[in-house]
Amino acid sequence: QVQLVQSGAEVKTPGASVKVSCKASGYTFTNYAINWVRQAPGQRLEWMGWINAGNGHTKYSQKFQARITITRDTSASTASMELSSLRSEDTAVYYCARGIWSIHSASYYLDSWGQGTLVTVST
Amino acid sequence: DIQMTQSPSTLSASVGDRVTITCRASQSISSWLAWYQQKPGKAPKLLIYKASSLETGVPSRFSGTGSGTEFTLTISTLQPDDFATYYCQQYNSDSTFGQGTKVEIK
Repeated sequence: QVQLVQSGAEVKTPGASVKVSCKASGYTFTNYAINWVRQAPGQRLEWMGWINAGNGHTKYSQKFQARITITRDTSASTASMELSSLRSEDTAVYYCARGIWSIHSASYYLDSWGQGTLVTVST
Repeated sequence: DIQMTQSPSTLSASVGDRVTITCRASQSISSWLAWYQQKPGKAPKLLIYKASSLETGVPSRFSGTGSGTEFTLTISTLQPDDFATYYCQQYNSDSTFGQGTKVEIK
């Protein structure tokens, strides 16, 4: 069965960077995209970006464009998301999710999700 | 950016009720809409994609309709396991989510 297992919780100080990993199993990693979505406490889900695990092409939300880098390691079936210049408003649970592409759409719906990684930004 | 607005934000219902949640897009998204269920402390779970296609394994009491800018998620007969928060997501242009609808026990 499809499984996405994320790295553990992180505590960071303002201005630092964080890198969250997402290890996939149960399917051919390079046949799908991995999306990153975050959820601040009590807030809606917020899409951050995706990576095509096959060709490495990325697309980022304009909101995060300057601070986010999504990469993948096909040998390890792992995608990673790095967010820099952290501020308190970045405190959230970060999710990776497998993306399913639909012909004629420009993005993905998300059929399998990781368990989430809590990132806390605090002095 | 395409904005997604759900209504209501909170819905009080009883087991056995028929429940309908609405999601509106700020511009046409064709049928590129998905619905998710999220329980506290858990990751979202896909219910519906392409506005009306039921994800494998999801009970048939869940259904979705709509196209363009207006969409609905209906739970035909609410079950105890269905008390949760529901989100819509557009994937016509990048991706954005609605603010969520919490279905609570009446």
